[in-house]
Amino acid sequence: GAGVSQSPSNKVTEKGKDVELRCDPISGHTALYWYRQSLGQGLEFLIYFQGNSAPDKSGLPSDRFSAERTGGSVSTLTIQRTQQEDSAVYLCASSPGGSFLNTGELFFGEGSRLTVL
Amino acid sequence: GNSVTQMEGPVTLSEEAFLTINCTYTATGYPSLFWYVQYPGEGLQLLLKATKADDKGSNKGFEATYRKETTSFHLEKGSVQVSDSAVYFCALTAGTGYALNFGKGTSLLVTP
Repeated sequence: GAGVSQSPSNKVTEKGKDVELRCDPISGHTALYWYRQSLGQGLEFLIYFQGNSAPDKSGLPSDRFSAERTGGSVSTLTIQRTQQEDSAVYLCASSPGGSFLNTGELFFGEGSRLTVL
Repeated sequence: GNSVTQMEGPVTLSEEAFLTINCTYTATGYPSLFWYVQYPGEGLQLLLKATKADDKGSNKGFEATYRKETTSFHLEKGSVQVSDSAVYFCALTAGTGYALNFGKGTSLLVTP
C-alpha cells in the first residue's frame, strides 16, 4: 500500500525481553517520527528523524529506548529489557519535507500494540 | 513548555446534534494548531489546521478558529453523523521544535 506501514501490529512479550518495532514510511518522505500512545495519556513524542539522522530524540523516556533509520527509509524502534510500563501503542508517522511546519500534516501508521507481561 | 489541554471524554451525542470539543493551549512563540482524528481501526489523520491567529480551519463540516486572546482552538460541527464517531486530538507545533504536541484525545460517539 501507499501508506505508513508498521509491524508487528501486535506484540506480547515478557518483562525483561527486548523488542523491535518496524516502520516503513511513505516512499519519498524524508521526515519520520515515533510517538507512544498510552491509555489516558495521549500521544507522547519519542524521536524525530530527518533522513538517517535524529536531530530530536528528546522524547525517548530512558536509555532502554533507541531508534535507527537506514537508507532514509525504514526505521526500527528498539526497547531493551522491557518493563510493564512500556505497554502502549507505538505510532510511526512520516512527512514529505525537512520540516512539517509548512503543512502540518503527518501521515500515521496504524501502530504497533506492545503488551509487556 | 508547549502543551495542549482538551476536554475530557467520552462525548456521546445523537445524530444531527451540535458538537463542540474544547481545546486550549500553552505555547511560546506563535504556534500552528491542528485537529487530528482517529477513526476506529485506522491511523491518525489530519482533520484541519490553522497557522496564525484568527485563521479558521475547516474540513468535512468541522471548523475551528485560532483564538490567540483565549489561547483556544475549539472544534465544532453543526450536525454530527454516526460516521463522525472517532477520537479527536488537538495538537500544536511552535517555535523551532520538530515535535507535534498532542492533547490526550476526546472520544466521540454519535448514536442514531
